[in-house]
Amino acid sequence: NAGVTQTPKFQVLKTGQSMTLQCAQDMNHNSMYWYRQDPGMGLRLIYYSASEGTTDKGEVPNGYNVSRLNKREFSLRLESAAPSQTSVYFCASSFGGLFNGYTFGSGTRLTVV
Amino acid sequence: DAKTTQPTSMDCAEGRAANLPCNHSTISGNEYVYWYRQIHSQGPQYIIHGLKNNETNEMASLIITEDRKSSTLILPHATLRDTAVYYCIVRVPPSGGGADGLTFGKGTHLIIQP
Repeated sequence: NAGVTQTPKFQVLKTGQSMTLQCAQDMNHNSMYWYRQDPGMGLRLIYYSASEGTTDKGEVPNGYNVSRLNKREFSLRLESAAPSQTSVYFCASSFGGLFNGYTFGSGTRLTVV
Repeated sequence: DAKTTQPTSMDCAEGRAANLPCNHSTISGNEYVYWYRQIHSQGPQYIIHGLKNNETNEMASLIITEDRKSSTLILPHATLRDTAVYYCIVRVPPSGGGADGLTFGKGTHLIIQP
């Protein structure tokens, strides 16, 4: 069982460049999430998708866009990267509803120079 | 969602029980208590959750006080691999199969000493 798979694991971008972080889950989960984690901080929610075809903003959505491509895949796009977006990005998924146990991916370490 | 208060860090000797406290004095009647942990550089891992009764699974036990204003996560026989940041989260599960994202604070850094 792969669980939640994130690609790439590491990325260095120049300011102003764009890129898409990929996330896929194979657990038939309905809901998917993108978080960022800055050094010494807890996780902050960027965007989430309660179900296929829906997306909603989280706590820190500015500078990001998302696409729920299908039930399995949820991508995060940085259109014009800024140094403030240097962070570790985690994707997660869950069935949603009463039991909301999340399964997280291993993260993408992004540095914007 | 109710605010939680956790100690910044704790130490525990290997083989002993690790007891991690969480204060959630403003919890409301329909809010659940969730615990996650994050081992260095990895994504968080779900541990356990409960409403009012004590819960136990293969990883840990969750003790919730009768007034529900605080809870304790217990790792019965801590190992070095239990060194991690432990997050206590209190929230209302979304209705109708929906989702709105968990809010993670800074958690407790538990260090298991050999």
